[in-house]
Amino acid sequence: KAGVTQTPRYLIKTRGQQVTLSCSPISGHRSVSWYQQTPGQGLQFLFEYFSETQRNKGNFPGRFSGRQFSNSRSEMNVSTLELGDSALYLCASSLAAGVSGANVLTFGAGSRLTVL
Amino acid sequence: QKEVEQNSGPLSVPEGAIASLNCTYSDRGSQSFFWYRQYSGKSPELIMSIYSNGDKEDGRFTAQLNKASQYVSLLIRDSQPSDSATYLCAVNQAGTALIFGKGTTLSVSS
Repeated sequence: KAGVTQTPRYLIKTRGQQVTLSCSPISGHRSVSWYQQTPGQGLQFLFEYFSETQRNKGNFPGRFSGRQFSNSRSEMNVSTLELGDSALYLCASSLAAGVSGANVLTFGAGSRLTVL
Repeated sequence: QKEVEQNSGPLSVPEGAIASLNCTYSDRGSQSFFWYRQYSGKSPELIMSIYSNGDKEDGRFTAQLNKASQYVSLLIRDSQPSDSATYLCAVNQAGTALIFGKGTTLSVSS
């Protein structure tokens, strides 16, 4: 059974550019969550999607956006990149949202973004 | 603001000892509690989940939950050097995002 697949694994961008990251969840998983991980702040929640709808959103500026497609694959976009956006972006999938016991997250390997 | 607090460490224990990792959370409505392990350069992986007060054991790992004190802990018995990693506590209630603590770094010396 394939795990959570994130692409690209590594990328370098310059300030002001935008970036799109992709996440393919485990087959059968309908919920996808995105997190930003930095050494100083740890894992910070970005957003969660379930059945193409954003169910929860973290405290990030509007430059961070996401979406989920009908096949549960998800993308996140960061526009007008800043140096502080350099981080590991982790995607995680689960069977369902809002169901106790079915909300166990399985993480992908992450996309490491460096902004110069 | 829902918060999950962990001692950042590092927590250093000798091989074979018991490692005790602690976590407190602010949201009294929290229902699900998780411990993840993250090796350097890798993504987090689930070790334990616990939903009810008390202890839950899985091999060398025991999770303990006390909702009245808003406290969850992870005990690792017979610690091995391969247990050296960062341990992340995560908490949520149904329908809300899973919130992580910043993690405790564990170092097991041989």
